[in-house]
Amino acid sequence: EDQVTQSPEALRLQEGESSSLNCSYTVSGLRGLFWYRQDPGKGPEFLFTLYSAGEEKEKERLKATLTKKESFLHITAPKPEDSATYLCAGFTGTASKLTFGTGTRLQVTL
Amino acid sequence: DAEITQSPRHKITETGRQVTLACHQTWNHNNMFWYRQDLGHGLRLIHYSYGVHDTNKGEVSDGYSVSRSNTEDLPLTLESAASSQTSVYFCASSLLAGAGNEQFFGPGTRLTVL
Repeated sequence: EDQVTQSPEALRLQEGESSSLNCSYTVSGLRGLFWYRQDPGKGPEFLFTLYSAGEEKEKERLKATLTKKESFLHITAPKPEDSATYLCAGFTGTASKLTFGTGTRLQVTL
Repeated sequence: DAEITQSPRHKITETGRQVTLACHQTWNHNNMFWYRQDLGHGLRLIHYSYGVHDTNKGEVSDGYSVSRSNTEDLPLTLESAASSQTSVYFCASSLLAGAGNEQFFGPGTRLTVL
């Protein structure tokens, strides 16, 4: 069964305290991963697509990386506005069906 | 600006009633999707469509139906609402069907079935 597991479930950081979120996957025929950000009461917002091991993508304080078995979302010097739930989703070559993890709820405090 | 909208944003209904949730996108995307999001579960795919008159079942399709009569809209119908269908529902769209085409999500509809 295809599965995407995210850890930790929740993470509390102080402003400026860097950390990483993990997304591990067992998706048959995985072609890559998406990372999304979701704010309370809103739909997921697209962040990154990663296709191959070793690939990295960056956006502001976020950097996503991919290995053969997992992906990391590194958050450097986070700010309170980075507080959100971060979702990863694996996709295969069969059209656009995604397998989502349950997310990491990040809180960044002053 | 192009966007994806859902209505209503909140809905309370009773067990056994038929409910339709609307999804409308102005990106002219071919592909549209319906997901539900519940605590302890990731987003789970209900139904999806690759174009007009095309519909397909996802992993949790029982009790739900969709129809696609134009590019812009994919309404989701709960034939006879059950308490287990209390959830937050998200519609999404993507331009192409190939792997790696990111999906863009609407704001969600919170449905409560009493």
